[in-house]
Order: sequence, then structure tokens, then C-alpha cells
Amino acid sequence: DAKTTQPTSMDCAEGRAANLPCNHSTISGNEYVYWYRQIHSQGPQYIIHGLKNNETNEMASLIITEDRKSSTLILPHATLRDTAVYYCIVRVVGDSGNTPLVFGKGTRLSVIA
Amino acid sequence: ETGVTQTPRHLVMGMTNKKSLKCEQHLGHNAMYWYKQSAKKPLELMFVYSLEERVENNSVPSRFSPECPNSSHLFLHLHTLQPEDSALYLCASSQDLQLAKNIQYFGAGTRLSVL
Repeated sequence: DAKTTQPTSMDCAEGRAANLPCNHSTISGNEYVYWYRQIHSQGPQYIIHGLKNNETNEMASLIITEDRKSSTLILPHATLRDTAVYYCIVRVVGDSGNTPLVFGKGTRLSVIA
Repeated sequence: ETGVTQTPRHLVMGMTNKKSLKCEQHLGHNAMYWYKQSAKKPLELMFVYSLEERVENNSVPSRFSPECPNSSHLFLHLHTLQPEDSALYLCASSQDLQLAKNIQYFGAGTRLSVL
């Protein structure tokens, strides 16, 4: 089981912010939230991950609610090349070993010109 | 370019053939992975290697046989496959299996069709 719930699909206008939600209501204290995306005919690409603080990198921002039961991936200025399936994954990462990346069905984001 | 190269990109084989998929990573990573992505199904983890030792085998049929001769190369040997094995096979690598070093980088995959 993927342990996360995401909308099946979303549309976003080019140049606008894309906000992709993810519910992970059963997340435990040692589980991180990871986001990957898969552009058509390519392998998945790492975007960002976090534990409880909000994170930002050159690709996106990750906002995690205070209770950690949900998160939002934000692409600040979506382009046509951001059209992809976006996967939200929760997993344990630690010195005693990591749980695998378990990919669900993800959200298919279509950026529209 | 992710630093993970898979060959061939496309492969068509009969059920009695033997073929191999190759993955090479140029990132200096110690862990490598095989995933299977069937049409309309989520990615499924098949095998995990760390420092050339297999650490995970997710109940994969024996007609799939992985090989990791060194930390830069990973193979998936295929024999007597079934049509339902047709899928996109993805290779990934990560620096190791531990915290903060487990971002996985994926290759573009091999699209396999079994006739």
C-alpha cells in the first residue's frame, strides 16, 4: 500500500503556481514525505523531501502541515515541461535501514498553455 | 541526463528467448535497484543491491535473474518470460541505503515486449 492519497489528475495554467496535495493521515514520527515525478517515457525524478519543516529547493516547495497528516507540493511557476505524474511517498529513512519507495498512482498534472 | 543509463531502450523478445537488460550508473553510488512498471499499475520494486550484495528480492519469479558484478553495473537476465511480463523496467541508484543518502536516481527504462 502506498499509504498516501492524491487526486487522480489536476490542470494548471502555464506560469501559475501548481499546488499538489497529498494526504498521509497514518504517517508515523519517523516517516519522511518524498515527492517524485515521472514525465512521459522517462524514469521517475526526485523533487524534494521533508520530515516536518517546510522545504524549498530549485524545483519546488514542500509544505507539511503541523500535524504532518498532509502536505502540498508547490511548483511556483508551472511550465509545459512540468506536465507529469507526481508521486507523494512516505517512508522510513534511518540508520537502521530504509523502507522502500512505494509508488502509488500519483497525480497526473497537465500544464496548459 | 540522470547519470543512470539503461540499454536497450526497447526490446522485443519471444517467450523462449534469453535476453539481458543492462544498467550503468556514473554517480559513484553503492546501491542499485530494479523496478517494474506495468501499464496502469504503480511501480513495483523487484530487487535491491547494496555494495554488490542483494539485500531485497520482492518475490520475483525466477525467470528474472539479477546480477551486480560491481557497484556501477546491474543486469537483469530474462528467460522464458510470459506476455504479462511486458512492461517498462527501470533501474535506479542511490548513494547508499541510509538516511539523507537515499535519493534514488532513475534511468529512462527499457520498454520490454514479450510476444
